[in-house]
Amino acid sequence: AQTVTQSQPEMSVQEAETVTLSCTYDTSESDYYLFWYKQPPSRQMILVIRQEAYKQQNATENRFSVNFQKAAKSFSLKISDSQLGDAAMYFCAYRSFQAGTALIFGKGTTLSVSS
Amino acid sequence: GAVVSQHPSWVICKSGTSVKIECRSLDFQATTMFWYRQFPKQSLMLMATSNEGSKATYEQGVEKDKFLINHASLTLSTLTVTSAHPEDSSFYICSARGSGAGSYNEQFFGPGTRLTVL
Repeated sequence: AQTVTQSQPEMSVQEAETVTLSCTYDTSESDYYLFWYKQPPSRQMILVIRQEAYKQQNATENRFSVNFQKAAKSFSLKISDSQLGDAAMYFCAYRSFQAGTALIFGKGTTLSVSS
Repeated sequence: GAVVSQHPSWVICKSGTSVKIECRSLDFQATTMFWYRQFPKQSLMLMATSNEGSKATYEQGVEKDKFLINHASLTLSTLTVTSAHPEDSSFYICSARGSGAGSYNEQFFGPGTRLTVL
């Protein structure tokens, strides 16, 4: 079975600074997807970024980028130029290539942003 | 992105009663729907996966007779918590995924339902 581990329960960053959230996973599959989701106080899940395992190039979405290390099974999220609106709980998630499979979430990291 | 709605957004019920939560995909056909449960400041725990027209597949430890899931159409899935007890109080989130060409289909999340059992 696949597992996702987030070892940082809480992180903090100042506005305009950069922060990196860590995620490791375990799987025996060679093809899969990895995601970072944001859950603000409203609790609506928001997709931040997605990475396909077969792609070597790290995904980027504006201020958000990932460092995907397939051999090390590591998938960290870097948030640049942090903003107050980035404060939320962030979940790393894994999904198999197989049709119909669900997202498997890590325990989450609560990010606080100070001005 | 596509929209998934949930109703009600919050509900309070007495112990022993049943509560039904609806999850609708508003602008796409959801061939697969997922139900998650989330306790405060914790992660989303998958309860069950349902495919339209088929019986739901429950995760280990989830009582299928207590948490009844019906996915009768491509746009609607329901979760019924039967004989609810205070320990069932939680935040329930549904998620839906369509089908299409290619292997990737995004999973869209509803806004969640807060259930409080007195």
